[in-house]
Amino acid sequence: SQKIEQNSEALNIQEGKTATLTCNYTNYSPAYLQWYRQDPGRGPVFLLLIRENEKERRKERLKVTFDTTLKQSLFHITASQPADSATYLCALVPYGGSQGNLIFGKGTKLSVKP
Amino acid sequence: DADVTQTPRNRITKTGKRIMLECSQTKGHDRMYWYRQDPGLGLRLIYYSFDVKDINKGEISDGYSVSRQAQAKFSLSLESAIPNQTALYFCATSDLLGQGIDTQYFGPGTRLTVL
Repeated sequence: SQKIEQNSEALNIQEGKTATLTCNYTNYSPAYLQWYRQDPGRGPVFLLLIRENEKERRKERLKVTFDTTLKQSLFHITASQPADSATYLCALVPYGGSQGNLIFGKGTKLSVKP
Repeated sequence: DADVTQTPRNRITKTGKRIMLECSQTKGHDRMYWYRQDPGLGLRLIYYSFDVKDINKGEISDGYSVSRQAQAKFSLSLESAIPNQTALYFCATSDLLGQGIDTQYFGPGTRLTVL
């Protein structure tokens, strides 16, 4: 069966450290993968996407990698701050899937302690 | 979030009642979506629409119906609400970018409780 899994429900780190979140998928061949941030009681907000033929994308303190052999994407936040505390969701559209029919992971709740 | 609005933001209703959740957008996007989010289950797609004349079922459409009244408006109805439809509901929009990439913009959500 097809699955998209984010490795942990919660991740606690100290301010200033790098947070690394993992998204694994099985039985999909995604054309691209996206990462969203969700704050409590609010809708997800798009952060970054990476295409299947790209290894890495960066935006300010954020970095996303994509390994189609491992079927895995890593999402890094460098020099983390308490304001980065939120739930982070990965999402993908598989090849052959309906355009726009995003499949979301359940999310990882990141807590950055001062 | 201001580009995508949802009404009501909170609603408590009773089993068997008909409920309509409304979504409006000013982004000018053709594509609109309804999701529900439950603790431990994540976001799941209920229905989506790629234009006014196009409506498609998502992963969990049973018990729901939708109406796309205009490009900017997409409503979700629960014909006869049941308690397991208690959830946080999100509307989203998107515009197909180049190379088939579709990034979604979410509304603030509607918290629905069915007693």
